[in-house]
Amino acid sequence: DAMVIQNPRYQVTQFGKPVTLSCSQTLNHNVMYWYQQKSSQAPKLLFHYYDKDFNNEADTPDNFQSRRPNTSFCFLDIRSPGLGDAAMYLCATSRDLSYSIHEQFFGPGTRLTVL
Amino acid sequence: DQQVKQNSPSLSVQEGRISILNCDYTNSMFDYFLWYKKYPAEGPTFLISISSIKDKNEDGRFTVFLNKSAKHLSLHIVPSQPGDSAVYFCAASAKNSGAGSYQLTFGKGTKLSVIP
Repeated sequence: DAMVIQNPRYQVTQFGKPVTLSCSQTLNHNVMYWYQQKSSQAPKLLFHYYDKDFNNEADTPDNFQSRRPNTSFCFLDIRSPGLGDAAMYLCATSRDLSYSIHEQFFGPGTRLTVL
Repeated sequence: DQQVKQNSPSLSVQEGRISILNCDYTNSMFDYFLWYKKYPAEGPTFLISISSIKDKNEDGRFTVFLNKSAKHLSLHIVPSQPGDSAVYFCAASAKNSGAGSYQLTFGKGTKLSVIP
């Protein structure tokens, strides 16, 4: 089945220690998104890639970076995690950005704990 | 500032009855609305959507109603089943004129419990 895969499902890191979260997709979609979701909050878009074009949300902290080496993979790098970065991180894809394409397909998420 | 609001964090409904989940929005530029369903330990999955040019969209047991003048939409599930127990997210889409793309803005979600 075509899907969005996130690894690891659970990640524990130490305060200030860089961490990388991984997302891969078999849907061959052009767009990949990273969302941060804190407990009982709405998923918040951090950034997205349309093919190789990177689009950062205005309020995404510089501490968060992303890489998309190819169509299938996208990484979220947190350079110096703080306690406030503990959250569920959701990766999503969509076929395109055009008006007719609104549906996004989500992975199961990676729960990040910062000690 | 929350542009998409789901004011009920939770809802309990008896099996077989109707579940009504509500969502309000503030941004008049939103022109497409979606509902996502999320089970524990899984990512959100798309359920149903509606364009702003319509006021109703139906798919089996699920119907979404849109009232643009009130900036309100609702998801009706009839009849409710125990397998419908999940968190339901309302999301809205508007064209990001700067990026030429469409982004989703999510509400906080409503946890639905369908009691057998």
